[in-house]
Amino acid sequence: GAGVSQSPSNKVTEKGKDVELRCDPISGHTALYWYRQRLGQGLEFLIYFQGNSAPDKSGLPSDRFSAERTGESVSTLTIQRTQQEDSAVYLCASSLGGTDSSEQYFGPGTRLTVT
Amino acid sequence: AQSVAQPEDQVNVAEGNPLTVKCTYSVSGNPYLFWYVQYPNRGLQFLLKYITGDNLVKGSYGFEAEFNKSQTSFHLKKPSALVSDSALYFCAVRDITGRRALTFGSGTRLQVQP
Repeated sequence: GAGVSQSPSNKVTEKGKDVELRCDPISGHTALYWYRQRLGQGLEFLIYFQGNSAPDKSGLPSDRFSAERTGESVSTLTIQRTQQEDSAVYLCASSLGGTDSSEQYFGPGTRLTVT
Repeated sequence: AQSVAQPEDQVNVAEGNPLTVKCTYSVSGNPYLFWYVQYPNRGLQFLLKYITGDNLVKGSYGFEAEFNKSQTSFHLKKPSALVSDSALYFCAVRDITGRRALTFGSGTRLQVQP
């Protein structure tokens, strides 16, 4: 079946511009996660959605970052007034969510370059 | 707080030899542990997980991992390496009573030489 999809695959933007990244989770997955992977580093948690519960925003690095999710479908991650340190690969993952132990399935990521 | 350490940036092994990629973790409660693999220009793929039960967990592509609670380790192993196993491997943990998001290690690059 279809996996997690993300768009765009690559995004180059000028410093100070806003960007919006999109994630389509696997159908039926109630949990959705956003992570950031800087070059040569591990994944850094950003935000987590579970069904209609309030999202866990504890990983967002600043108030320039925000995310939304409509129901159990698409999510968008918005970065306002982008900075060069925002350059990274942004990864989205989804999981069944109903059990604590369910593994996460990752999308291919969006590579963001801020010039 | 939870954390993961992967002490080796790179592991080199000859094809056909056994391989081990090390991972240690720290959580305040009991852990759920995961291994993911990242091939070039591809997303992370789930390999295996430890939830409870047997300490030796078997996963995809012939990989296995051993949970050692006393040493807080979850090393990834394979009896006979293949050149196609060359990739970036990430260990991840979450506390079963904590937030759902995973904490990842910094990754270990596995290079299998023919």
